[in-house]
Amino acid sequence: NAGVTQTPKFQVLKTGQSMTLQCAQDMNHNSMYWYRQDPGMGLRLIYYSASEGTTDKGEVPNGYNVSRLNKREFSLRLESAAPSQTSVYFCASSVKFGGNTIYFGEGSWLTVV
Amino acid sequence: AQSVTQLGSHVSVSEGALVLLRCNYSSSVPPYLFWYVQYPNQGLQLLLKYTSAATLVKGINGFEAEFKKSETSFHLTKPSAHMSDAAEYFCAVSDQSRGSTLGRLYFGRGTQLTVWP
Repeated sequence: NAGVTQTPKFQVLKTGQSMTLQCAQDMNHNSMYWYRQDPGMGLRLIYYSASEGTTDKGEVPNGYNVSRLNKREFSLRLESAAPSQTSVYFCASSVKFGGNTIYFGEGSWLTVV
Repeated sequence: AQSVTQLGSHVSVSEGALVLLRCNYSSSVPPYLFWYVQYPNQGLQLLLKYTSAATLVKGINGFEAEFKKSETSFHLTKPSAHMSDAAEYFCAVSDQSRGSTLGRLYFGRGTQLTVWP
């Protein structure tokens, strides 16, 4: 029962470095999402992919890029990491976009120093 | 646009006491409403979901929530708290439009539940 798997689980970056967070789901879901969670802020949507071949910006897309590699995989890239991007990142997926239950991965803890 | 307000960022109850976590929403169209729970160092798990069927929704672990359109509320309750209920709880709203940007989930800021022995 893998569900949504994201890697790495922990990462420390220096300011200006780049990295990619990987995410894969095995539930044959059409829609995938990247959220960030910060204390007292709840979850904020960074980018989403409503279906394979499409990506769209969420609430806080600046400083990030995404790639929907195929139906299973949706990666998040930080091109030039900044301390403000220190956060916990969650990948998620749903059967389709709009009103459906979203299933979350276990999170990736990213620290930018 | 949709939004969610969770009243109280921290709630503390004694084991066996009633749990009440408050959520109010705003939505321009009939909403879908969700409660998720997050245990320490884990992702979010769905507790329950309202999709315009019965207004009283029962979820996992003895939780339930009631949709009250007149009050624009979707409060989460559990009659008797257990130590294992200690976690952070998130309310979320989505409208019923599919295939549009309105279909995404909007999360509240979360309520941390502490259960005292």
